[in-house]
Amino acid sequence: DAGITQSPRHKVTETGTPVTLRCHQTENHRYMYWYRQDPGHGLRLIHYSYGVKDTDKGEVSDGYSVSRSKTEDFLLTLESATSSQTSVYFCAISDFSYEQYFGPGTRLTVT
Amino acid sequence: QKEVEQNSGPLSVPEGAIASLNCTYSDRGSQSFFWYRQYSGKSPELIMSIYSNGDKEDGRFTAQLNKASQYVSLLIRDSQPSDSATYLCAVNSGGSNYKLTFGKGTLLTVNP
Repeated sequence: DAGITQSPRHKVTETGTPVTLRCHQTENHRYMYWYRQDPGHGLRLIHYSYGVKDTDKGEVSDGYSVSRSKTEDFLLTLESATSSQTSVYFCAISDFSYEQYFGPGTRLTVT
Repeated sequence: QKEVEQNSGPLSVPEGAIASLNCTYSDRGSQSFFWYRQYSGKSPELIMSIYSNGDKEDGRFTAQLNKASQYVSLLIRDSQPSDSATYLCAVNSGGSNYKLTFGKGTLLTVNP
């Protein structure tokens, strides 16, 4: 997985609770991404980062926030989890080649 | 909204045959094109990148790009059961090379 880890790998949480997912890379890549993958929708970009403290929204950003205080870490926060946020979340990284490499994923279930 | 379209499949081929996977995209400004393989329950794995019109070969895989027709394809020669997976096409989007739009994927099954 190209030096990318995600934690936790699995999480079950209740509606209304905050959840933070962590992506950690050891490749010193500039760009980091959070995607969600759902049946029938494929991979959809939630947020991305093009440097420390530089982030922007993707196509499905409502209900999510991100932070990147260090090159190696990119955090995704669900402020108040809803059942519609049950999904598999993937982190990805890329450098100036623009080839993206994915982490192992986090399976989140909101009950 | 930039779109990337793939036939969802499933595409079923016998072992040893050529599997042909197709992808069309809507953004004429796209410059970077990628194929990912995703096994069930696993994360996407980059298998091919292509940036120029024509063919690019890597082992049993050949990527083909036709920007005029906004079409990119992946050929897998001598298909093996281990090639059975979902194949995702990705295209750079939004005028920037560092954002990708993914197709929904084509499920390939290679039968022994």
